Amino acid sequence: GDSVTQMEGPVTLSEEAFLTINCTYTATGYPSLFWYVQYPGEGLQLLLKATKADDKGSNKGFEATYRKETTSFHLEKGSVQVSDSAVYFCALSPTNDYKLSFGAGTTVTVRA
Amino acid sequence: EAGVTQFPSHSVIEKGQTVTLRCDPISGHDNLYWYRRVMGKEIKFLLHFVKESKQDESGMPNNRFLAERTGGTYSTLKVQPAELEDSGVYFCASSQRTSGRTDTQYFGPGTRLTVL
Repeated sequence: GDSVTQMEGPVTLSEEAFLTINCTYTATGYPSLFWYVQYPGEGLQLLLKATKADDKGSNKGFEATYRKETTSFHLEKGSVQVSDSAVYFCALSPTNDYKLSFGAGTTVTVRA
Repeated sequence: EAGVTQFPSHSVIEKGQTVTLRCDPISGHDNLYWYRRVMGKEIKFLLHFVKESKQDESGMPNNRFLAERTGGTYSTLKVQPAELEDSGVYFCASSQRTSGRTDTQYFGPGTRLTVL
């Protein structure tokens, strides 16, 4: 079945550091790929998405590129802030379905 | 526009008791989903409504879980009787009715269920 594997945390960084969270997936066909973020005390929010190979999703300084050849959708940000501290989830929705399959989540803490 | 709301935010019950979780989707969203995250693991799909009809309930763990969506508006998820392994965070999400699988699902803040 479909699955998502993402880098285990927790990850602790200093402000202005570079952040990468690795995400790889297993799915048939052409899934859509997503990054969701959960800030402390809040619900899940869609951060960015990509619906076909080589698409790049971007939002709030974060970027991720849909790489079909490596079945990956790594999340990157060049300079993190304390406000980026959150749990990040990589997810996919299959070719012909709505339901999301999530990775285990990566907790990121950014220190001032 | 109000987002997806869930009630209660936290529930603590004893094993064997019944708990009912409620989700109010974004107004006008025909699709409603339930997910849960157990013990800090992956968020797992439970079921999907289109209006009042269950489209897919393949993720429901067993018959102790019952979901309803009367009138195609809010939804309830009842756990009866609750077991220790049911502890976790239950998320609800909704999306508009379109033909695309790329619809954004908007999530609520979740209900944290603790079964003692």
